[in-house]
Amino acid sequence: KQEVTQIPAALSVPEGENLVLNCSFTDSAIYNLQWFRQDPGKGLTSLLLIQSSQREQTSGRLNASLDKSSGRSTLYIAASQPGDSATYLCAAPSSAAGNKLTFGGGTRVLVKP
Amino acid sequence: NAGVTQTPKFQVLKTGQSMTLQCAQDMNHEYMSWYRQDPGMGLRLIHYSVGAGITDQGEVPNGYNVSRSTTEDFPLRLLSAAPSQTSVYFCASSTQGDNTEAFFGQGTRLTVV
Repeated sequence: KQEVTQIPAALSVPEGENLVLNCSFTDSAIYNLQWFRQDPGKGLTSLLLIQSSQREQTSGRLNASLDKSSGRSTLYIAASQPGDSATYLCAAPSSAAGNKLTFGGGTRVLVKP
Repeated sequence: NAGVTQTPKFQVLKTGQSMTLQCAQDMNHEYMSWYRQDPGMGLRLIHYSVGAGITDQGEVPNGYNVSRSTTEDFPLRLLSAAPSQTSVYFCASSTQGDNTEAFFGQGTRLTVV
């Protein structure tokens, strides 16, 4: 059974600092991993879908890496801004292929001006 | 660009009442699913569907029914609401396949008193 863990549960940084968010998963037989952002009281917004063949995916200030052998993914946010304050969730497929997702508990990020 | 639309956004029910949470997507996605999000438990899969006429149970299906008569709609029915079903419910959709991006609705916040 896939298990996804995100540590730390919360993170506070001053504006301008780079953010490093960690995600680990137990079943490495996956084709992809997805990162989401959730603002308080809102839905999930997809940030990046990283495929195992890519190992890395970038979108603006966001960069996600995927290392299946170690069961880890990392989301980097460069030059953080107060608008980056949100909860960040990672999700891995519950089986090797397929659309059922197992979510981590999330990392709540606060970027202080 | 509507994406995934959930209604209602908020609902208060009395114990024992029934109701249907609506979910519609306009992206012609084959796969649709329902999750619930609870503090400390993360998002958990309730039911999912791989296409019209096909549904299956997820991790926490008890107390919920689903049906999929069209590609666009995937309603979630609470048969007899219980306080344990107080949660935020999210609907998601994606194409079928190994590397597909999941899109989520804005959620329905349900309170059962």
